[in-house]
Amino acid sequence: ETGVTQTPRHLVMGMTNKKSLKCEQHLGHNAMYWYKQSAKKPLELMFVYSLEERVENNSVPSRFSPECPNSSHLFLHLHTLQPEDSALYLCASSQEGLGETQYFGPGTRLLVL
Amino acid sequence: LAKTTQPISMDSYEGQEVNITCSHNNIATNDYITWYQQFPSQGPRFIIQGYKTKVTNEVASLFIPADRKSSTLSLPRVSLSDTAVYYCLVVPRQGGSYIPTFGRGTSLIVHP
Repeated sequence: ETGVTQTPRHLVMGMTNKKSLKCEQHLGHNAMYWYKQSAKKPLELMFVYSLEERVENNSVPSRFSPECPNSSHLFLHLHTLQPEDSALYLCASSQEGLGETQYFGPGTRLLVL
Repeated sequence: LAKTTQPISMDSYEGQEVNITCSHNNIATNDYITWYQQFPSQGPRFIIQGYKTKVTNEVASLFIPADRKSSTLSLPRVSLSDTAVYYCLVVPRQGGSYIPTFGRGTSLIVHP
């Protein structure tokens, strides 16, 4: 138990669906991250928020839309995804910004049909 | 940005000591070496961080030579539950424009 929770843990969606992934951290951290991990590929950083402001958008397609309403919550809104977007989506948090030790959630396993 | 190189995979047996070496030839003066562990279908977990010489905690030891161009993660007496992917990262003391890069890591398989 790392203090970072993610829901849902598993999600199956069609290409025309709209869904959202939720992440919550109970560590009092100021920075939160979304990563994507495809099968047999390295972790890919998608978004970084520091003090609720987005500081990094790593060339992610617009069908992924992040939202950070406060420093404890992070969402990833999904719409019109493609099958190649199927992956493990991981949320992490750190005390401050980039460079700090990151604490990861258990991930959401997403399957796009 | 210091790039890291580590073996893609390693095999070991229960009870053995496992040493995973990471090369980071262009590490900067203010960079730290950080290791994470990831079990299948879970997020990575921080296990140890060091700057120079030796660091030890309840999970592992980290050995860093004087030139800091490499580091070795040492897992004493591994068990089956140590089967995981281990990532070596070089992290600046102050993040700035640093982008965490996990790479492919080292896949450790511990056999009975």
